[in-house]
Amino acid sequence: AQSVTQLDSHVSVSEGTPVLLRCNYSSSYSPSLFWYVQHPNKGLQLLLKYTSAATLVKGINGFEAEFKKSETSFHLTKPSAHMSDAAEYFCVVSERGGSYIPTFGRGTSLIVHP
Amino acid sequence: NAGVMQNPRHLVRRRGQEARLRCSPMKGHSHVYWYRQLPEEGLKFMVYLQKENIIDESGMPKERFSAEFPKEGPSILRIQQVVRGDSAAYFCASSPEGTGELFFGEGSRLTVL
Repeated sequence: AQSVTQLDSHVSVSEGTPVLLRCNYSSSYSPSLFWYVQHPNKGLQLLLKYTSAATLVKGINGFEAEFKKSETSFHLTKPSAHMSDAAEYFCVVSERGGSYIPTFGRGTSLIVHP
Repeated sequence: NAGVMQNPRHLVRRRGQEARLRCSPMKGHSHVYWYRQLPEEGLKFMVYLQKENIIDESGMPKERFSAEFPKEGPSILRIQQVVRGDSAAYFCASSPEGTGELFFGEGSRLTVL
């Protein structure tokens, strides 16, 4: 069985400051992990993915995430927030060797203040 | 390469009517997933299909909801006798074989009056 917990429903930062969106997962198999972003009234866009290669994954728009097996975490970071980063972010786990049905976290709303 | 295409983008139905939502996956993708998103909530898995097969429908309500992915044509999510609680955004995603990586459409937003 697999699950994912996004620890914060809302994160508020000032433009130019670092972003940290937290995600913990549970998986019976080797997980693939993803972060997606959703802007209002839009579909979801893939930011980055981890599939058992390098544990530090770089994505689009300056985002990164680090897979930490010992902590079962896959937190999303960005050194400097931009106003256009304001959106909903979803952490997703999919089990390689399992059902391949990706499970979504509840989402974290990122608010960026000028 | 066109992305995942969903239509209609917006659909309004009265209680008791039927809603049909269509999804054309990306070229070369044989796996289709449907998710439902309620306001202020994440995406809830509904059904996972491959061509002509329902692989997992554990997230689908037992009544009124059905899905198909025929050999030819788009995947269809059908909701019969809609109720107000069916109002939501319905997202389709497609995936290449066995990767778990999802490519999403823009969603179909159903409003039940």
